[in-house]
Amino acid sequence: AQSVSQHNHHVILSEAASLELGCNYSYGGTVNLFWYVQYPGQHLQLLLKYFSGDPLVKGIKGFEAEFIKSKFSFNLRKPSVQWSDTAEYFCAVRGNDYKLSFGAGTTVTVRA
Amino acid sequence: NAGVTQTPKFRVLKTGQSMTLLCAQDMNHEYMYWYRQDPGMGLRLIHYSVGEGTTAKGEVPDGYNVSRLKKQNFLLGLESAAPSQTSVYFCASSPRKTDEAFFGQGTRLTVV
Repeated sequence: AQSVSQHNHHVILSEAASLELGCNYSYGGTVNLFWYVQYPGQHLQLLLKYFSGDPLVKGIKGFEAEFIKSKFSFNLRKPSVQWSDTAEYFCAVRGNDYKLSFGAGTTVTVRA
Repeated sequence: NAGVTQTPKFRVLKTGQSMTLLCAQDMNHEYMYWYRQDPGMGLRLIHYSVGEGTTAKGEVPDGYNVSRLKKQNFLLGLESAAPSQTSVYFCASSPRKTDEAFFGQGTRLTVV
């Protein structure tokens, strides 16, 4: 069975700081990887996804993620955060069994 | 653009009562999912479906049943509600195994 681990529970940073959120997964086969964002009181929205090809994936709102197969990692980055990036971020993985599994999430608080 | 619609949005149940949560999608998606979201635990998969007439267990299926009689609808049932089932429930759908999931707005359920 696949599983997803997000290293940071809560990250607090100032505007213009850089952000990196860690995500590791366990699954022996081919995976599809996703990062979702949940703004306060809202449903999950897709930030970016990786299926194949270039391991550096660019998403919406200036986010990007790098897939490192040898490390089973899919870390999310943003060079310069804004107050509006305050949200909860979820890493997700789907394997060949169709299940879409999520990590526990990382709450990001950006201080103005 | 309805997308994924969940009914109801809020509900309070007494212990032992039953209820059904409805998820409807108008995108002709094959795959549908039910998750529960609890603080610090991310989204946990309850049940999922890979097509009309099919259902499968996720990570936390106990106490829940599902049905997918029509492709556009995925019902989640609680036969005898317990306080441990107090949570926010999200439904999601995706067109293919390799595509991202689209989420509904969530149902906040409280069992007293």
